[in-house]
Amino acid sequence: EADIYQTPRYLVIGTGKKITLECSQTMGHDKMYWYQQDPGMELHLIHYSYGVNSTEKGDLSSESTVSRIRTEHFPLTLESARPSHTSQYLCASSELGVVSGTDTQYFGPGTRLTVL
Amino acid sequence: GQQVMQIPQYQHVQEGEDFTTYCNSSTTLSNIQWYKQRPGGHPVFLIQLVKSGEVKKQKRLTFQFGEAKKNSSLHITATQTTDVGTYFCAGSNSGYSTLTFGKGTMLLVSP
Repeated sequence: EADIYQTPRYLVIGTGKKITLECSQTMGHDKMYWYQQDPGMELHLIHYSYGVNSTEKGDLSSESTVSRIRTEHFPLTLESARPSHTSQYLCASSELGVVSGTDTQYFGPGTRLTVL
Repeated sequence: GQQVMQIPQYQHVQEGEDFTTYCNSSTTLSNIQWYKQRPGGHPVFLIQLVKSGEVKKQKRLTFQFGEAKKNSSLHITATQTTDVGTYFCAGSNSGYSTLTFGKGTMLLVSP
């Protein structure tokens, strides 16, 4: 079982509030990711990082920002939450496979965000 | 950019029936991975295929990687209610690029 944690698990917040979703992993993985997923729908990559001080935007444009100051920590911040941000946010990490050069992603339990 | 298409989007079977989901990529993949997401849960890694024509089995699940490394399938024999969930395939062009996930196939199994 992967050791990747997300807090809070559920968050209901009003429009305009600033929020930070926390993600931590204890596996020492260099690569970390944030996905946005609506119920029963596909995964959309919104941010990823190859290591400390590395952050990249994913395939889906997002108003959120991320930081990677420590290997184990990859928080996501929304400066001003809106109802359109209501979704599930999944954090994942991976270690580049040495033999095959591929990375298996381990997902956290997710944060379900509702913006009223 | 790379696209990974998955069909069907949804399938409802009776317990004991077989199930197959198919994954097709617009480009040649270096590897393909399969994940399962239970309702209300998060994706969990099932398996990875790397070699052309590779076939791997996990109990009632059979995974195949096409000869051209552009398609893959997951077959479940004699489904059980515990198989309920969404199955995602995910591929990458190289070990150093991000995974591209398919849209997933949602499987419902009626007892």
